[in-house]
Amino acid sequence: DAGVIQSPRHEVTEMGQEVTLRCKPISGHNSLFWYRQTMMRGLELLIYFNNNVPIDDSGMPEDRFSAKMPNASFSTLKIQPSEPRDSAVYFCASSTGTGREKLFFGSGTQLSVL
Amino acid sequence: GNSVTQMEGPVTLSEEAFLTINCTYTATGYPSLFWYVQYPGEGLQLLLKATKADDKGSNKGFEATYRKETTSFHLEKGSVQVSDSAVYFCALSDHRSGGSNYKLTFGKGTLLTVNP
Repeated sequence: DAGVIQSPRHEVTEMGQEVTLRCKPISGHNSLFWYRQTMMRGLELLIYFNNNVPIDDSGMPEDRFSAKMPNASFSTLKIQPSEPRDSAVYFCASSTGTGREKLFFGSGTQLSVL
Repeated sequence: GNSVTQMEGPVTLSEEAFLTINCTYTATGYPSLFWYVQYPGEGLQLLLKATKADDKGSNKGFEATYRKETTSFHLEKGSVQVSDSAVYFCALSDHRSGGSNYKLTFGKGTLLTVNP
């Protein structure tokens, strides 16, 4: 089992550019989560999908952020336009159920917006 | 709302020392409690969990007991190793009916460094 796969591992971009983060959940998992980690705010849940459908996006900071899950094996988190305050580590996680049990995390994408 | 408070780090110990990382929580329902560990450059991994009061979660020599009366879930290990150096996160999920029980609320994390 390859685990949750995220790409890229590191992304450096300039303010105003579009950024797309990618995630491949573990096969068979039907729940997918996007988290953001910063020193100031810790780990924040951005959005949660169940069976490819967005269930709760109340954590998405603003309209500049969007997430999609076109199929069970792929999800994207897009930031357009990016701003320096978006710099953070973005984690994708998946699980088999509602997520209240074990979450499997990817290695994260370190995003730096200059 | 739900919240988790962990002791501020960093914590630096010598090998074989005793470890305690304090965690207290606020929740209006009946939460499950978790400890996750994050090794350098990696994502979080579940370390242990407890789903009801007085349960003890344990794994890899780490233990934590769900104390409802003190709303605490302190992490302990009797003898730490250099390989235990990592960031430790306490988390809860609330099981209230109709509540967002999928939403894990995390503490801010505690960095542990174990020196040889």
